[in-house]
Amino acid sequence: NAGVMQNPRHLVRRRGQEARLRCSPVKGHSHVYWYRQLPEEGLKFMVYLQKENIIDESGMPKERFSAEFPKEGPSILRIQQVVRGDSAAYFCASSPRVGDPTDTQYFGPGTRLTVL
Amino acid sequence: GNSVTQMEGPVTLSEEAFLTINCTYTATGYPSLFWYVQYPGEGLQLLLKATKADDKGSNKGFEATYRKETTSFHLEKGSVQVSDSAVYFCALSDRDGNNRKLIWGLGTSLAVNP
Repeated sequence: NAGVMQNPRHLVRRRGQEARLRCSPVKGHSHVYWYRQLPEEGLKFMVYLQKENIIDESGMPKERFSAEFPKEGPSILRIQQVVRGDSAAYFCASSPRVGDPTDTQYFGPGTRLTVL
Repeated sequence: GNSVTQMEGPVTLSEEAFLTINCTYTATGYPSLFWYVQYPGEGLQLLLKATKADDKGSNKGFEATYRKETTSFHLEKGSVQVSDSAVYFCALSDRDGNNRKLIWGLGTSLAVNP
């Protein structure tokens, strides 16, 4: 079984450009989480999505950031007009279903975004 | 709100030494607790987990016991190897309705020397 796939693994953007990060969850998983790991910091929750719905985006900056998880295709984290402070590793995780008693999330390898 | 406090690193040990990385938490309710490991240049791998008080998670020689009375989930290994060099993250599952977002410690870097 394929695990969580993220692409690209590395992304370089200039200030003001858009960054688009993709996440394909484990097959059959309908819950996706995005986390950000800033340099020298721990991971911070950004957004939680189910198919076609944003459930909790309390960790996502109000401007320039958006996320979606369409009925078909991967989840997308989009950052518009990137700034140097957006440079970080972005991790996607998926989990099977509501009520999974183990609450386990399975992580992708991450996308390392560098803003020049 | 819920939080995780993890011992600061870096931790440097010789091969075959005993490892303890402390982790304490504050939470309402009964969260699940996790240890994840991040090897250099790689993503996060689940190392072990515990879902209720007194549960012991174990994997690859690592162990951690969910202690509700001390709100702790310390990671231990009896004899570390060079290949254990990595960053270790303690996390709890913040149960908010159906949302199972993870709250993370800052990570502890471990270097094991031959």
